[in-house]
Amino acid sequence: DAKTTQPTSMDCAEGRAANLPCNHSTISGNEYVYWYRQIHSQGPQYIIHGLKNNETNEMASLIITEDRKSSTLILPHATLRDTAVYYCIVRGGATNKLIFGTGTLLAVQP
Amino acid sequence: DTAVSQTPKYLVTQMGNDKSIKCEQNLGHDTMYWYKQDSKKFLKIMFSYNNKELIINETVPNRFSPKSPDKAHLNLHINSLELGDSAVYFCASSQDRANTIYFGEGSWLTVV
Repeated sequence: DAKTTQPTSMDCAEGRAANLPCNHSTISGNEYVYWYRQIHSQGPQYIIHGLKNNETNEMASLIITEDRKSSTLILPHATLRDTAVYYCIVRGGATNKLIFGTGTLLAVQP
Repeated sequence: DTAVSQTPKYLVTQMGNDKSIKCEQNLGHDTMYWYKQDSKKFLKIMFSYNNKELIINETVPNRFSPKSPDKAHLNLHINSLELGDSAVYFCASSQDRANTIYFGEGSWLTVV
């Protein structure tokens, strides 16, 4: 039931910016875009979320297109510890369920 | 001072047994969840409680029974364990149904 499409995997060089794309062409006006990541053998970790404006916090930046049909998560200076599966999730509606898809496996290379 | 804590972290048990996984959050949140991550790594919501009231109950066998004695606790009891119940179970919580959800570190259940 995931409403997002992400690449299966991506590589990034250590110290470079990692740009993770996500398509959510059927997003509704009151639905948010959430990003989580799961490092191996750990629980999912919240990264950032947004509705329509770009957002930035200490972990990452979230760029949402004007039509809201896609977004990009940016890790400005990737480290080896950022290697994880990154999930882009559209959340909202009556139940506000957080429904995980298959995510993008980001491998940060030394 | 872990925000969402689960016990036990690892559990190996035989088919047919009954087991419980406990979850506690010290964030003062009103809503708690159980998610299951199977061997293929798919994360699926199982249950959600808001102020001790069940609000989400996905298609989960009735051998699984969540119990919320208070807002800070949501325990998962599983009867008559089957091999297919082997998975990682994650507890989570949020301020309310609409706010950010924070996850625990998971409980690895292996049924042999």
